Amino acid sequence: DAKTTQPNSMESNEEEPVHLPCNHSTISGTDYIHWYRQLPSQGPEYVIHGLTSNVNNRMASLAIAEDRKSSTLILHRATLRDAAVYYCILKEGDDKIIFGKGTRLHILP
Amino acid sequence: GAGVSQTPSNKVTEKGKYVELRCDPISGHTALYWYRQSLGQGPEFLIYFQGTGAADDSGLPNDRFFAVRPEGSVSTLKIQRTERGDSAVYLCASSLDSGSSYNEQFFGPGTRLTVL
Repeated sequence: DAKTTQPNSMESNEEEPVHLPCNHSTISGTDYIHWYRQLPSQGPEYVIHGLTSNVNNRMASLAIAEDRKSSTLILHRATLRDAAVYYCILKEGDDKIIFGKGTRLHILP
Repeated sequence: GAGVSQTPSNKVTEKGKYVELRCDPISGHTALYWYRQSLGQGPEFLIYFQGTGAADDSGLPNDRFFAVRPEGSVSTLKIQRTERGDSAVYLCASSLDSGSSYNEQFFGPGTRLTVL
């Protein structure tokens, strides 16, 4: 499975935008980029996914570099509830998810 | 609607004992997955089912671990002769289908297993 690289942790102020980076330089043409997050004491939850084009949903936006070797998850206005571990994942078709360590996002009130 | 449920939420057992962990997936989801998560780590894949059959069990650490899904719905993860290193949160997830790159997986809250 292709690997992703994320910062171990990030901080942001409440009500400000957050940009969570992910590098995936060995991505293949058929890999989808997925983001999941895990709130404290809960199972992971799906956030967003994309292939080539930028994507928006009610939770976040996903900006994908033109060469697809990196992507950025954007939370437009962080709240305390967004404090979680965010996982950037590549999926090649086999449906299992290979999680890394993710980025622990701290939100400062 | 009802999400993925897992029982028990917590299980404490003694080294060497047998345990069963149950997962009830979202109704209609044909794919079911088991992961386990140690403190400070991301979830680690164990096994996934498509219907009643195990499509990929490559993540099971050894033959003490076994999982079944006899009717293509509820699944049970079974651990024999538990060891202290088995202590972790065991997560179950389900999705509408497998074999696709973009199907969302829905996770349950997990079962925290502690082996004393």
